[in-house]
Amino acid sequence: AQKITQTQPGMFVQEKEAVTLDCTYDTSDPSYGLFWYKQPSSGEMIFLIYQGSYDQQNATEGRYSLNFQKARKSANLVISASQLGDSAMYFCAMRAAGTYKYIFGTGTRLKVLA
Amino acid sequence: SAVISQKPSRDICQRGTSLTIQCQVDSQVTMMFWYRQQPGQSLTLIATANQGSEATYESGFVIDKFPISRPNLTFSTLTVSNMSPEDSSIYLCSVPGTGNTIYFGEGSWLTVV
Repeated sequence: AQKITQTQPGMFVQEKEAVTLDCTYDTSDPSYGLFWYKQPSSGEMIFLIYQGSYDQQNATEGRYSLNFQKARKSANLVISASQLGDSAMYFCAMRAAGTYKYIFGTGTRLKVLA
Repeated sequence: SAVISQKPSRDICQRGTSLTIQCQVDSQVTMMFWYRQQPGQSLTLIATANQGSEATYESGFVIDKFPISRPNLTFSTLTVSNMSPEDSSIYLCSVPGTGNTIYFGEGSWLTVV
């Protein structure tokens, strides 16, 4: 069975500092996709970054980068130069191979301190 | 990315009643997905809405409780029937985007009292 685990229910980071949000996954599929979404208090889900299981390089999108360690089955999100607007819930997700069915982790609530 | 609009954005409902949530996309999409997020929880897929055929429900979700319509390639509705307080959740519509991701609407916050 596929599973996403986020072990940090809450994190604090000082403004302008970098922060890493942990995500581990479990799957027996050779092909899969890993995603991070941001959910502000307004409730919308905002796509941040994607990593394919066969991608050789770690994905980056602006201040977001995904530290993909396939052997460890981890896909940690790194946010550089944190901003107050980064305060939100962050969800790691995995897409089952060949489907659009996404499995989400329980989320990490990030609070950026001024 | 597609622009996805949901209505209502928030509602407070009496138990035993039903509420229909609308999802409008600004482009034609083959599949639309409905997710539920109970308070403090993660997202769970309810069903996939297919145009021209019955929705495909995930384990634990049934058509009688969550009937779905998909009259065309840009619109879908999800009805939450005979609501109880346990149905208090954010309900999110989503559609496939470019590449491998999916995009979400703003969500509909339902509180059942």
